[in-house]
Amino acid sequence: DVKVTQSSRYLVKRTGEKVFLECVQDMDHENMFWYRQDPGLGLRLIYFSYDVKMKEKGDIPEGYSVSREKKERFSLILESASTNQTSMYLCASSLVRGINYGYTFGSGTRLTVV
Amino acid sequence: AQTVTQSQPEMSVQEAETVTLSCTYDTSESDYYLFWYKQPPSRQMILVIRQEAYKQQNATENRFSVNFQKAAKSFSLKISDSQLGDAAMYFCAGGTSGSRLTFGEGTQLTVNP
Repeated sequence: DVKVTQSSRYLVKRTGEKVFLECVQDMDHENMFWYRQDPGLGLRLIYFSYDVKMKEKGDIPEGYSVSREKKERFSLILESASTNQTSMYLCASSLVRGINYGYTFGSGTRLTVV
Repeated sequence: AQTVTQSQPEMSVQEAETVTLSCTYDTSESDYYLFWYKQPPSRQMILVIRQEAYKQQNATENRFSVNFQKAAKSFSLKISDSQLGDAAMYFCAGGTSGSRLTFGEGTQLTVNP
């Protein structure tokens, strides 16, 4: 089975800190995604990547950036964390570029910004 | 652009009974895919069922089945013989083959013993 691992299950950070959320997948998937999950809003796409060193903005990229230096690793960066970025963050990956077979998700990182 | 809407924030069902979760979608494309994901308290998103829009037949996976009404743009999930382990947040999702997955708001399902 494909495994998508998010390095932290819970994080508490202070306003203004630079925050890194790490995601690693172990099945050589080309495509990786970062979603944010909020009650009543479902999952919203922040950034995605179809290849190493490639990134594209999703629906809510403001306040975030990403890094993909290696195929298996996709990092989400909060340049200066704010309280409105308190949320659950989910990483996902897929073998094919399209959505035909859905995505494989990690278990999420619950980030609290105080 | 594709949108996915779940109008039931919460649902409950008695153990062994049947429950239906609703989802509507909006797309102008003909080549698209629809999914139901389950997110239990462990937070691990699990793919429950997948439907290809060009297929007339409704997808089924054991106790889970969908009612795919293309003209009405409706994609509901039916859970038969509900079990305590079915309690979770359920997300409807979809998109065209060249796009990214778009998710609905989610429905929290409670299973009462």
